[in-house]
Amino acid sequence: GDQVEQSPSALSLHEGTGSALRCNFTTTMRAVQWFRKNSRGSLINLFYLASGTKENGRLKSAFDSKERYSTLHIRDAQLEDSGTYFCAAEAFYNQGKLIFGQGTKLSIKP
Amino acid sequence: GPKVLQIPSHQIIDMGQMVTLNCDPVSNHLYFYWYKQILGQQMEFLVNFYNGKVMEKSKLFKDQFSVERPDGSYFTLKIQPTALEDSAVYFCASSFDREEQYFGPGTRLTVL
Repeated sequence: GDQVEQSPSALSLHEGTGSALRCNFTTTMRAVQWFRKNSRGSLINLFYLASGTKENGRLKSAFDSKERYSTLHIRDAQLEDSGTYFCAAEAFYNQGKLIFGQGTKLSIKP
Repeated sequence: GPKVLQIPSHQIIDMGQMVTLNCDPVSNHLYFYWYKQILGQQMEFLVNFYNGKVMEKSKLFKDQFSVERPDGSYFTLKIQPTALEDSAVYFCASSFDREEQYFGPGTRLTVL
């Protein structure tokens, strides 16, 4: 079936540095969401994109439906950014069904 | 941001019993979803619901599963009867349109 491949599975950054998470899709997706799972296991909404890029503070996300990928960039990482990040995408022929990536466990070190 | 609540947070039941998981979606949302996450695995879509009807369901949504939202109250997932493989965390989500979904904290279901 349709899949969302998320990478890397784990990432360790020092405070103040940055990096990018990526999700590749096996089919054309209509939209993508990015989440962070907090310490209680709840999904916190970061971005919803149907195209283009969005930025919020130190986070920036891009989505290219035609090229079948989305990215989440983190800059100037802080300790509180630690957690597991997920992308989830909806295929054009679905009616709201999100397909989740495997998650990226991000660790920020002092 | 918008909050989705789920009741209870944990539920332990014996195999074969019925269980109802409750979701209190964001107040003006019209679309409702259930997802299932088995320990160590990815979150997987079960079903979505709009205007009193199931719009789409996955192969995980077995005949023993049903959903409803009577009179605009809780959006519920009922499993009757339960099986051991139903043990998982069940997440409810809602959206105003078919766009950004907001998730609840999950209900951990343990079937013994």
